[in-house]
Amino acid sequence: GAVVSQHPSRVICKSGTSVKIECRSLDFQATTMFWYRQFPKQSLMLMATSNEGSKATYEQGVEKDKFLINHASLTLSTLTVTSAHPEDSSFYICSARGFAGLTDTQYFGPGTRLTVL
Amino acid sequence: AQKITQTQPGMFVQEKEAVTLDCTYDTSDPSYGLFWYKQPSSGEMIFLIYQGSYDQQNATEGRYSLNFQKARKSANLVISASQLGDSAMYFCAIPKHQGGKLIFGQGTELSVKP
Repeated sequence: GAVVSQHPSRVICKSGTSVKIECRSLDFQATTMFWYRQFPKQSLMLMATSNEGSKATYEQGVEKDKFLINHASLTLSTLTVTSAHPEDSSFYICSARGFAGLTDTQYFGPGTRLTVL
Repeated sequence: AQKITQTQPGMFVQEKEAVTLDCTYDTSDPSYGLFWYKQPSSGEMIFLIYQGSYDQQNATEGRYSLNFQKARKSANLVISASQLGDSAMYFCAIPKHQGGKLIFGQGTELSVKP
């Protein structure tokens, strides 16, 4: 199956700093990637849709200036949490849109656990 | 608008027994699909099974099968012969119209007892 990687897997930073998370599709080209956020014991909440070569589309309530998304190539999307605060501590998961046979599906990365002190 | 509901926050099952995880949905799309994912404590999302709304038969993948009842708008996941490694969160998901976005249910935490 398709493989999606995320880096880093875990990051701890001080309040006020910016953190960049990378999402890579390793064995296929993904024109569309998605970024999700998940709090403990809760479901995944879609933050934004990242399209290669164009601006990301953010879900309602997500601050685009705080969560900067760049999809510079067909295999890489980055999420930058700017001026991170403790409330931004969460599990961030990316996915890449692809096809399993004829099924339009998403392949998920392993996630990045962000802790802001 | 699409909506997906999992009403069981937590479930327990004895090892080697079967368990059914509930999922109901609401959609206005004439054609749609339903996904089930497993999320172990490590956090990765593992794709389990997919059901297309026009598929004639219920989907099966190894020990996983879908009890798809279109009229009731339910797509319950059945895990047969539960194993200790099945202990995880399970999410049902439906695409949000076009564009590939997925809307996830609240999740069910399954615990398999030895």
